[in-house]
Order: sequence, then structure tokens, then C-alpha cells
Amino acid sequence: EPEVTQTPSHQVTQMGQEVILRCVPISNHLYFYWYRQILGQKVEFLVSFYNNEISEKSEIFDDQFSVERPDGSNFTLKIRSTKLEDSAMYFCASRMLRGATNEKLFFGSGTQLSVL
Amino acid sequence: QKEVEQNSGPLSVPEGAIASLNCTYSDRVSQSFFWYRQYSGKSPELIMSIYSNGDKEDGRFTAQLNKASQYVSLLIRDSQPSDSATYLCAVSGNTGKLIFGQGTTLQVKP
Repeated sequence: EPEVTQTPSHQVTQMGQEVILRCVPISNHLYFYWYRQILGQKVEFLVSFYNNEISEKSEIFDDQFSVERPDGSNFTLKIRSTKLEDSAMYFCASRMLRGATNEKLFFGSGTQLSVL
Repeated sequence: QKEVEQNSGPLSVPEGAIASLNCTYSDRVSQSFFWYRQYSGKSPELIMSIYSNGDKEDGRFTAQLNKASQYVSLLIRDSQPSDSATYLCAVSGNTGKLIFGQGTTLQVKP
């Protein structure tokens, strides 16, 4: 089965530093997502991306966050100035179609971000 | 605020029993309903999807949807210790964005 690849699997950073989380979605997919999960809490939607622009974002996705698809294969999430509360597992996901019936959303294995 | 509610558990069942997991959602226009399994530290893994009222069976798993009651359930027959995990209910509308519940922890005891 095709896979969404995320790197790194673990990222440790100091508060106030910028981090970039990287994802390689499945090659023929068109819709891309970032979700996060703080330890012990629910998986939360951050942002969706289609046709090189954000199609929807949550209240969590403030000015400190940005996404980019720089080269047609990678999909990145940047946090400009990390805070302690940004510590979480970040999941990238992709699908071919927007929300078609019977269409599976493929999740990557996640990047565990720890902000010290 | 669109919500998906689950009992966090833990739900403990003996091996071989039926595990019943429940979920309610607040947004009446939700179109698609999913059950994911998540092991600790891992990504969600899709196990069932359901789109219309009624039951949908796949092996040992049966998903049930009642849109009038805004209720989704998952039954796991012949539960195995390897089924021990957190089960996430997720709901989406026409944008494809998933809204997750907090998950129910299932423990299957040998």
C-alpha cells in the first residue's frame, strides 16, 4: 500500500526556535492535511491544502504556523517561534479527492515534536 | 463548535467477547463516519467507514450509523488481545476535514 512519509520522526527544539516538519504525500494525491495530537488528547485538525493554497484552517493554525509545497513532492509545516504548548505529535495526511465517498485518508507515521 | 463525543473508557472485555464502542456527533450535516484504531505513539489506522444509515460489516467489525440520533457505533466480535488499542471516531462533511473524538481505550483481557 502507498505511504505518506514524514521526517523527522522526533524533533527536539528550544522554545522560540523555528521548526519545519516535512511530509511526502502519496504521489497522485491532491489534498494534504496536517493534524496534531497533544499527549493524551484528541487528534486535532490544523490545516488543509489544495492547489497550492490553504483551503481550510483551524483556530489553532495561527500566524505562527505556515504550510508550503515547495517542490511538488514535499509538504511542510513550519512553526516560526515554538512554544511549550506546541509539543505534540504532528500527523501529515493526504487523499486524492476532497471528500469523496469511500476515499481513504492516508496518514503518515507522525513527527513527535518536543519543545523545551 | 462541531463536536464528536466518545466515552474515554477504559472499556475492558474478556477475550472472545463482543466489544461495543459508541460515538455521538453534533453536526447534522456530517456525511462520512469513520472508526480508526490507534496504538500508543502511532498514527490512526482506518478500520471502518460508513456513509448511510444501518449496519456495515467487515470481518469481525460492524459499524452502525443512525443519522437521526447522530450516533455511530463499532462492534468488535470475538475480541482478541491484539485489539487492545484506542478507537477513534471521526466525522467529516463535504470538505474532507476529519473531526475526531477523544477516543475510547479498549482492553481485551486474555
